[in-house]
Amino acid sequence: DVKVTQSSRYLVKRTGEKVFLECVQDMDHENMFWYRQDPGLGLRLIYFSYDVKMKEKGDIPEGYSVSREKKERFSLILESASTNQTSMYLCASNRPVAGGETQYFGPGTRLLVL
Amino acid sequence: AQKITQTQPGMFVQEKEAVTLDCTYDTSDQSYGLFWYKQPSSGEMIFLIYQGSYDEQNATEGRYSLNFQKARKSANLVISASQLGDSAMYFCAMREARKDTGRRALTFGSGTRLQVQP
Repeated sequence: DVKVTQSSRYLVKRTGEKVFLECVQDMDHENMFWYRQDPGLGLRLIYFSYDVKMKEKGDIPEGYSVSREKKERFSLILESASTNQTSMYLCASNRPVAGGETQYFGPGTRLLVL
Repeated sequence: AQKITQTQPGMFVQEKEAVTLDCTYDTSDQSYGLFWYKQPSSGEMIFLIYQGSYDEQNATEGRYSLNFQKARKSANLVISASQLGDSAMYFCAMREARKDTGRRALTFGSGTRLQVQP
């Protein structure tokens, strides 16, 4: 079974803090993704990575950066957390094969910025 | 313009009945994929079913089937014989090539909350 893990289920931070969200997958997937989920908006893509050290902006990259130094690990960084970044953050991974390309998700991190 | 539209924010269904969750999409690509995910209150996203744009048959997975109507750009999820454990948020998603880079990524709808009543 594919396993995607995220470093924290719940996180509380203060405005202006630097926040790291870590994601690790154990299936040697090339692609990894970070989404944020807000009520009524579904999941929106922040960044994705298609290889080590390679990244691409998603639909809402402002205020975020990412790092992928190893294939299995993809980090989301909030350089200076703001209250409007309070949200549920979901990491996913998949292999870019023709056909399904099902994304496998981690359990999510609920971030509260005070 | 929204790429994935789920017009039902909430649905109720009686246990053992069938329910249809609506999803319409917008794309100019010929090759794309459609997915349905389930998200229980615990938060994890669970993959349910996939339909490719070139698949001629509607996808089925156990009690889940996808009613794919390409000309109408709709991909409705049908759950037969609903169970209490089906209560969750359901998301429709589309995989298509991004306009800027050509890389493929998923776009999600806003979701439908399904509640199964005993």
